[in-house]
Amino acid sequence: DVKVTQSSRYLVKRTGEKVFLECVQDMDHENMFWYRQDPGLGLRLIYFSYDVKMKEKGDIPEGYSVSREKKERFSLILESASTNQTSMYLCASTLGGIGNQPQHFGDGTRLSIL
Amino acid sequence: GENVEQHPSTLSVQEGDSAVIKCTYSDSASNYFPWYKQELGKRPQLIIDIRSNVGEKKDQRIAVTLNKTAKHFSLHITETQPEDSAVYFCAALPGTALIFGKGTTLSVSS
Repeated sequence: DVKVTQSSRYLVKRTGEKVFLECVQDMDHENMFWYRQDPGLGLRLIYFSYDVKMKEKGDIPEGYSVSREKKERFSLILESASTNQTSMYLCASTLGGIGNQPQHFGDGTRLSIL
Repeated sequence: GENVEQHPSTLSVQEGDSAVIKCTYSDSASNYFPWYKQELGKRPQLIIDIRSNVGEKKDQRIAVTLNKTAKHFSLHITETQPEDSAVYFCAALPGTALIFGKGTTLSVSS
């Protein structure tokens, strides 16, 4: 069974801090994704990566960056955290190659910026 | 880019009734349409999916239909049970990343 692990379930940080959210998958998946989930807005794509050191912007990349130095790990970075980045962050992964493969999600990180 | 609209945003039914959630998409290149169920405090879980070369798929009490011409797809849950209460998300895949609808909160009362 696919395992997508996010390093923290809950995180509290202060405005202006640099924040790192970590995600690891154990199924050798090529594609990894970061979403944020807000009530009434669904899941919005921040960034995704289809290979090591490769990244693509999603719908809401402003204020975020990502890093993928190893295939199994995809990090989301808030360069200077702001209160409007308080949200639930979900990581997901899927096989590469031909599309239409199911995405597997982590448990999420609930991030509060004070 | 792809845009996925989902309706209704909330749905309340009595136990045993059927529930239908509808989604439309804009990008004709989308070829994969999964549905996720998210219970309170838990991760989204895939419950059923359909590919663009199929019109309908069933799995016990759950079914999904796809109309490529009209660019819409629907989730049907029959004989609803209280444990079906959750938020349901539809999604479409135009390329590498899924684009999600805003979700439907389904409440099943006994």
